[in-house]
Amino acid sequence: AQTVTQSQPEMSVQEAETVTLSCTYDTSENNYYLFWYKQPPSRQMILVIRQEAYKQQNATENRFSVNFQKAAKSFSLKISDSQLGDTAMYFCAFMMSGNQFYFGTGTSLTVIP
Amino acid sequence: GAGVSQSPSNKVTEKGKDVELRCDPISGHTALYWYRQSLGQGLEFLIYFQGNSAPDKSGLPSDRFSAERTGGSVSTLTIQRTQQEDSAVYLCASSPIGRIQETQYFGPGTRLLVL
Repeated sequence: AQTVTQSQPEMSVQEAETVTLSCTYDTSENNYYLFWYKQPPSRQMILVIRQEAYKQQNATENRFSVNFQKAAKSFSLKISDSQLGDTAMYFCAFMMSGNQFYFGTGTSLTVIP
Repeated sequence: GAGVSQSPSNKVTEKGKDVELRCDPISGHTALYWYRQSLGQGLEFLIYFQGNSAPDKSGLPSDRFSAERTGGSVSTLTIQRTQQEDSAVYLCASSPIGRIQETQYFGPGTRLLVL
């Protein structure tokens, strides 16, 4: 069975600082995708970053980057230069071929001014 | 079961037909959400139910989409006159209270394919 674990229910960071959100997953599949989603108070889920399992290079999107460790089945999200607008719930998600999604329970991030 | 369940897990339909997707939230959870995940896209919020309050329908893409939640528990998402662009995975989530910072527990999704 596929599972996604986010072990940090809540985190906080000072504005302009860097924070890392952890995610681990368990699967026997070899080809899959990993995502981080952000859910601000608007409730709209926003895709932050995506990583294909076959790519060794870590994905980067502006201030957001991941540390993908396939052997360890770890997929952490690093947010640099945190901004107030980064306050949200962050979900790690795993997708196999066929579009079946598995989500973690989320990490509530608060950016403190 | 202990988690959010959705049925069917897969649905193939012909363009123009109506479909109903079902969500059984975790018992006792007052908030229920529907999302849509199209191929290569992020999750798209569709509708939100919280207790007996009027649902937030602001994410429904057209009047072909509707949802109801009976008895504050089971929810059904109905798509009328389906179009090919409706093909996606439809995800349901529930949470105990409904504050945005509350953990949402997602179901496995229903994969809809409109031919």
